Amino acid sequence: GAVVSQHPSWVICKSGTSVKIECRSLDFQATTMFWYRQFPKQSLMLMATSNEGSKATYEQGVEKDKFLINHASLTLSTLTVTSAHPEDSSFYICSAGKGASGGTFFGPGTRLTVL
Amino acid sequence: AQSVTQPDIHITVSEGASLELRCNYSYGATPYLFWYVQSPGQGLQLLLKYFSGDTLVQGIKGFEAEFKRSQSSFNLRKPSVHWSDAAEYFCAVGYFSGGGADGLTFGKGTHLIIQP
Repeated sequence: GAVVSQHPSWVICKSGTSVKIECRSLDFQATTMFWYRQFPKQSLMLMATSNEGSKATYEQGVEKDKFLINHASLTLSTLTVTSAHPEDSSFYICSAGKGASGGTFFGPGTRLTVL
Repeated sequence: AQSVTQPDIHITVSEGASLELRCNYSYGATPYLFWYVQSPGQGLQLLLKYFSGDTLVQGIKGFEAEFKRSQSSFNLRKPSVHWSDAAEYFCAVGYFSGGGADGLTFGKGTHLIIQP
């Protein structure tokens, strides 16, 4: 199979601070990773596509200056929530793709709570 | 743009009974189709996927799904549910463009309740 990990699994921060979330593909290389957010009792919404060695592609309505994505290597993508506010509190999930199957392997998610 | 519809927000099934969760998609071409399960506070686990070939797909935990192009559907089935199947189920559609994989579009999910 393919394993995707995320760190941390949960984080609580004060309003105005920045938080970094890591997404790693543990047993395969992923040129593309995806970031989603999920509000309570709702579905997952694609935020951005993270491409190794190039800029991320953001979905419409997602602030790229607020949600900074870096894909520094074939096994690591990071999402930084800058100047977090309570409305950014959510469950953030990443996924990584293997070949033509695309982003089908999901990480366990990171619960962000902004106070 | 693609969309995924899961018409049932909640479904209650008795343990041991059969299950069918509905999923319809809207897309210009044949997409990649997925079913995921999510337990509370957890990430997503892939149950099964369809890319091409046999339209009846077998997955983990005794689940199967059938792709019906004429109905734009990809319904999930299980002949006999167990209490541990209680969870949120998401249908998703994806696309593999020439430049690489695109992100998935998810349905709103179906919450499965198992009653004894």
